Amino acid sequence: DIVMTQSPDSLAVSLGERATINCKSSQSVLYSSNNKNYLAWFQQKPGQPPKLLIYWASARESGVPDRFSGSGSGTDFTLTISSLQAEDVAVYYCQQYYNSRTFGQGTKVEIK
Amino acid sequence: EVQLVESGGDLVQPGGSLRLSCAASGFIFSSYGMNWVRQAPGKGLEWVSHISGSSTTIHYADSVKGRFTISRDNAKNSLFLQMNSLRNEDTAVYYCARVGELLSDDYWGQGTLVIVSS
Repeated sequence: DIVMTQSPDSLAVSLGERATINCKSSQSVLYSSNNKNYLAWFQQKPGQPPKLLIYWASARESGVPDRFSGSGSGTDFTLTISSLQAEDVAVYYCQQYYNSRTFGQGTKVEIK
Repeated sequence: EVQLVESGGDLVQPGGSLRLSCAASGFIFSSYGMNWVRQAPGKGLEWVSHISGSSTTIHYADSVKGRFTISRDNAKNSLFLQMNSLRNEDTAVYYCARVGELLSDDYWGQGTLVIVSS
């Protein structure tokens, strides 16, 4: 099984500042035949289901604000919120869908 | 509009059984794979099971293999999860999620709560 490890477990960022979440997979999730990383990022607010933010490691889902961006390849990935807004307080999960699915443990983002 | 609505969650004793349903609308159900994902209270997300659009491909997490069975009825736009030999650690909110055309889980239901307790 592919193990996904996120860091940090939580972070507090001032409004308008940058938030960065890292995700590392235990093996590459880059599919060589199409050069796609099978890595997604989700946002989950309390009492709500997860919401897809990013797929293919860096493609933004329709309707997602452009302050959210994803980067990385192979085994190391990053979700960046360029200017944190109050509505971005949530838990963020990375997920690999290269081989079945596994999620990172989640990163809680709060306002400092 | 794509909608996924789960139902069937309940309080059940250890060793008991439960059948969850997910009613889909707003898309051609038979064209999409589906997943069940669960979340224990206060914990993270755990993938449970996958079924392809035609039911030809089915996968389970090791934690539920041999106890849970995923199925679908494309004529009724419905997804199911039959859960047998339930354990305390199966207590969770169970979500159904659609596997989008780009292979990520693009739509999720609101979830249904399963509590396994004596």
